[in-house]
Amino acid sequence: GIQVEQSPPDLILQEGANSTLRCNFSDSVNNLQWFHQNPWGQLINLFYIPSGTKQNGRLSATTVATERYSLLYISSSQTTDSGVYFCAVEVAGNKLTFGGGTRVLVKP
Amino acid sequence: SQTIHQWPATLVQPVGSPLSLECTVEGTSNPNLYWYRQAAGRGLQLLFYSVGIGQISSEVPQNLSASRPQDRQFILSSKKLLLSDSGFYLCAWSVKGGLGYTFGSGTRLTVV
Repeated sequence: GIQVEQSPPDLILQEGANSTLRCNFSDSVNNLQWFHQNPWGQLINLFYIPSGTKQNGRLSATTVATERYSLLYISSSQTTDSGVYFCAVEVAGNKLTFGGGTRVLVKP
Repeated sequence: SQTIHQWPATLVQPVGSPLSLECTVEGTSNPNLYWYRQAAGRGLQLLFYSVGIGQISSEVPQNLSASRPQDRQFILSSKKLLLSDSGFYLCAWSVKGGLGYTFGSGTRLTVV
């Protein structure tokens, strides 16, 4: 099956810093999503981004499908950005495969 | 708008007891439905998915089963829980043809 690798596994930031999270995947995909899992466990959909670039406030994401990677940018980080960020991809068959996640801690 | 409900939020069950977790979706018809498990704070694993009533596909062999008795209802069950069934269970839905997945708020199961 498809492999999804996220880096770095852990990230500690000072409030106000910028960061980039990376997701590499091993095959062509129909769908790619970025999620934020908050401390209560809820998975919040950040971006549906099989290709191209999207922005939502301080977050933006870019997927280069031909090179099989996606990047999530966090700018001017806040303590509420803490949590685990997941990249997940879908190939044919309507099944979402998750990467291992990047655990982000933003310190005040 | 579409919403997904999952309950209970937290559950503590003894080893050997049965399990029933329920997930319902509102505001859409004929969704794809999914059960995922997260065992250690990261790494979600797909357990079951369903493309229609009575249609269940299992991704991994395990002590659990799933059923879809109605279009927007997905149930995760076990006849006898094991310690290894502890974890965080998430239900999700998607529309056939794309535009992403939406997850419920999850059930934290502890088997003691």
